[in-house]
Amino acid sequence: AQSVSQHNHHVILSEAASLELGCNYSYGGTVNLFWYVQYPGQHLQLLLKYFSGDPLVKGIKGFEAEFIKSKFSFNLRKPSVQWSDTAEYYCAVMRGYQKVTFGTGTKLQVIP
Amino acid sequence: EPEVTQTPSHQVTQMGQEVILRCVPISNHLYFYWYRQILGQKVEFLVSFYNNEISEKSEIFDDQFSVERPDGSNFTLKIRSTKLEDSAMYFCASSDGVGETQYFGPGTRLLVL
Repeated sequence: AQSVSQHNHHVILSEAASLELGCNYSYGGTVNLFWYVQYPGQHLQLLLKYFSGDPLVKGIKGFEAEFIKSKFSFNLRKPSVQWSDTAEYYCAVMRGYQKVTFGTGTKLQVIP
Repeated sequence: EPEVTQTPSHQVTQMGQEVILRCVPISNHLYFYWYRQILGQKVEFLVSFYNNEISEKSEIFDDQFSVERPDGSNFTLKIRSTKLEDSAMYFCASSDGVGETQYFGPGTRLLVL
C-alpha cells in the first residue's frame, strides 16, 4: 500500500532559523507531490506542488521543495522561518490521478 | 479567490442518527472529494466523484456512506447511521481535472455521542 512518511512530528525553531521537513513516499511509479499547510484555525492550503519538470519547486511564502526520485523524497525547506509560519505541514502524494495520500503531518512551532 | 465552502462547521449527533455534510466546490471544478481526519491522526481519503458517479473509494467508505450532487452547486456526504468512530473532521475538496491540485474546504467537525 502506498504510504507517506514524515519524519518529524513536532519541530520547534527560533525565528530566522532554517527549516527542512522530511517526506518520503513508498510508491515507485509516477506520482504528483504536494505540501499542504494548515495554519491554526484555518483549512488546508496548498503550499507547493510537483508534477514534472524541474525537481526544485518554489511555493508561496518563500518555501521550496526538492523532489529526489532516487530517494523517493520530497523535502520541504525554507531558509529563514518567521513566527507566522507556525502551522501544521502535510506532505501528500497523488497516485492514480485522484486519491491523495497524506503524511501524518509535522507541527512547526516558531518562537519569536 | 474562489474557495470550497462547507456547512455546517460543527455538528453534534447521537449515535445511530443520519447526518448530511454539505460542500460547495469551486464553481468550474468537476472532480469532488471527501476526506476525513480523526483527531490526532492523518487526513484520509474517503471518496472521489466525477460525472455523477463515484470514481474511487477507500475501504473506509462502506455502505453507511453515500455521496450525491443534488444540484449544480452542492456536493454532499451522508452517513446513514453514525457510529462513535465516525467522529472526525470531514474535508471536502475539488479540482478542475484529473490529477490536478485539489483545493480543500475548511472542514466540518462531526462529533458522535
